[in-house]
Amino acid sequence: EVQLLESGGGLVQPGGSLRLSCVASGFTFRSYTMSWVRQAPGKGLERVSGITSSSGSTYYADSVKGRFTISRDNSKNTLSLQMSSLRAEDTAVYYCVKGGTGAPFDYWGQGTLVTVSS
Amino acid sequence: EIVLTQSPGTLCLSPGERATLSCRASQSVGSGYLGWYQQKPGQAPRLLIYGASSRATGIPDRFSGSGSGTDFTLTISRLEPEDFAVYYCQQYGSSPLTFGGGTKVEIK
Repeated sequence: EVQLLESGGGLVQPGGSLRLSCVASGFTFRSYTMSWVRQAPGKGLERVSGITSSSGSTYYADSVKGRFTISRDNSKNTLSLQMSSLRAEDTAVYYCVKGGTGAPFDYWGQGTLVTVSS
Repeated sequence: EIVLTQSPGTLCLSPGERATLSCRASQSVGSGYLGWYQQKPGQAPRLLIYGASSRATGIPDRFSGSGSGTDFTLTISRLEPEDFAVYYCQQYGSSPLTFGGGTKVEIK
């Protein structure tokens, strides 16, 4: 059974930093592109970042470019998202997702809530 | 960037009725890389359809997808109580990967 388990969300002040992690199981993690998708309260879905299987290529939405860094450790089946200079508009549920360009988003984690507020 | 426009915004139907959801792309979606997702309150989205018309694992056959190029449709042949949810289309063929704004299917 495929499982994606996120952690690291919480309340952070504007300008602060947070690191999200996602531990994957049930599939060959090192073979797949992974993504982070977020959903602001009551809003739609936005892919904020993605990384190819061997970390050779990364993607960032314009809204987070220069502030967020995606990484993965294939030896530990772990995907990470380092978020800095956080803004109120970054408040959202962040989902770890298996999939990317050319591949549907077929498995989603349960999500972790990030709240940016003073 | 490919912009996906979903219509209608809200669909009010009764259980047993047929639901037809539309997703229109601002430019052609390459290789038919169009997916549909269902999201219920408090839950993560779930993949229903990929490649415009292929059902994902475990998805009932009352869900079907069709279309190509810029016009795509998700059809639910007979609505079950558990189908009332928000549905999103997504193109995963060209970066940036984008989602439509969603269609809410609610009970009439």
